[in-house]
Amino acid sequence: GAVVSQHPSWVICKSGTSVKIECRSLDFQATTMFWYRQFPKQSLMLMATSNEGSKATYEQGVEKDKFLINHASLTLSTLTVTSAHPEDSSFYICSASLKAGGSYEQYFGPGTRLTVT
Amino acid sequence: GQNIDQPTEMTATEGAIVQINCTYQTSGFNGLFWYQQHAGEAPTFLSYNVLDGLEEKGRFSSFLSRSKGYSYLLLKELQMKDSASYLCAVKDSNYQLIWGAGTKLIIKP
Repeated sequence: GAVVSQHPSWVICKSGTSVKIECRSLDFQATTMFWYRQFPKQSLMLMATSNEGSKATYEQGVEKDKFLINHASLTLSTLTVTSAHPEDSSFYICSASLKAGGSYEQYFGPGTRLTVT
Repeated sequence: GQNIDQPTEMTATEGAIVQINCTYQTSGFNGLFWYQQHAGEAPTFLSYNVLDGLEEKGRFSSFLSRSKGYSYLLLKELQMKDSASYLCAVKDSNYQLIWGAGTKLIIKP
């Protein structure tokens, strides 16, 4: 149980275009979803936390107008990288949690590797 | 500030035992997690500790001392597939996960 999928698994796009990444919890309803970014050989960096039906909470330094997050349902959250640039190339990982707090661990999606040329 | 420290890299031999340490300083504590991450893949959950003591799960065990702000992950009977990064993460008083930078574990035959 507790499977999280991401689509696409990898994407190459041209500079200036937008890319949408989907994150789905397949067998549970996720009240909270998290979006992370990870550069090579570095740890996970939390970008934003989103609760279903409300606006995402962005971490300091993350541009909310550039990284648009929509959490329209309890099983789907999307991250749109707008006007992508080569420095946005990274591994984007989503995770989902059954509860906002408590002991529930986060279940991670397989990640999306974005390359901006 | 909030801080989690882990060794950057460790090397061990197949079949041996290795202990990966994690020390933390966070605003509040609501549990400590260990995750395994293979290169190019997302993290997978290994263990969760919220009370002091040792939690054993097969070849992996995790220990917590809240008074010392310290945890370790113990891996026994190492296998080549255990080569990965091991991430320590702590939930603070706001239930936000604070991540360590990870420990890259290299297993040699």
